[in-house]
Amino acid sequence: EDQVTQSPEALRLQEGESSSLNCSYTVSGLRGLFWYRQDPGKGPEFLFTLYSAGEEKEKERLKATLTKKESFLHITAPKPEDSATYLCAATSGNTPLVFGKGTRLSVIA
Amino acid sequence: NAGVTQTPKFQVLKTGQSMTLQCAQDMNHNSMYWYRQDPGMGLRLIYYSASEGTTDKGEVPNGYNVSRLNKREFSLRLESAAPSQTSVYFCASSEIIRQGRPQYFGPGTRLTVT
Repeated sequence: EDQVTQSPEALRLQEGESSSLNCSYTVSGLRGLFWYRQDPGKGPEFLFTLYSAGEEKEKERLKATLTKKESFLHITAPKPEDSATYLCAATSGNTPLVFGKGTRLSVIA
Repeated sequence: NAGVTQTPKFQVLKTGQSMTLQCAQDMNHNSMYWYRQDPGMGLRLIYYSASEGTTDKGEVPNGYNVSRLNKREFSLRLESAAPSQTSVYFCASSEIIRQGRPQYFGPGTRLTVT
């Protein structure tokens, strides 16, 4: 059974304090690893897709990386507006995405 | 492009009432999905439609039915609502399941069953 586990559940950072969020996955024949951002009261917003180990994607202060067993979302010099829940999902391609429970990030000014 | 739209945004039902949640996408996507999201439980897949004319059960299908009306629209029906169905419901769509494409989500419907 495909599984995605995210850690930590919650993370509190000072503005400018860089950190990483972890996503461990157990998927037979990974066809895609996805990161989403979800603000309170809204639907998840797509950020990145990673397809193979070693791949990296960047957007502003966010960089996503992928290994054969896990993905990291690195946040460099975060700002309060980066506060959100970040969701990770994976698929083998034969079934819909399997989502982790998310990491709730708070960035304090 | 509006992306994925959902109606209504909010709904309050009494136990035993029925209702249909509507979802439409304008991205010409083949696959559509319904999720529910509860605190501490994450996103759980209720039903999905890989392509027009097909539907499949997800992780938590009991108490729900779906209809893929056409390529654009995918509705979720609660025949006899229960308090356990109080949740936030999200519709999503993607180009096609088998190619591992991202899903794009609607804004959600907040449903309370009393």
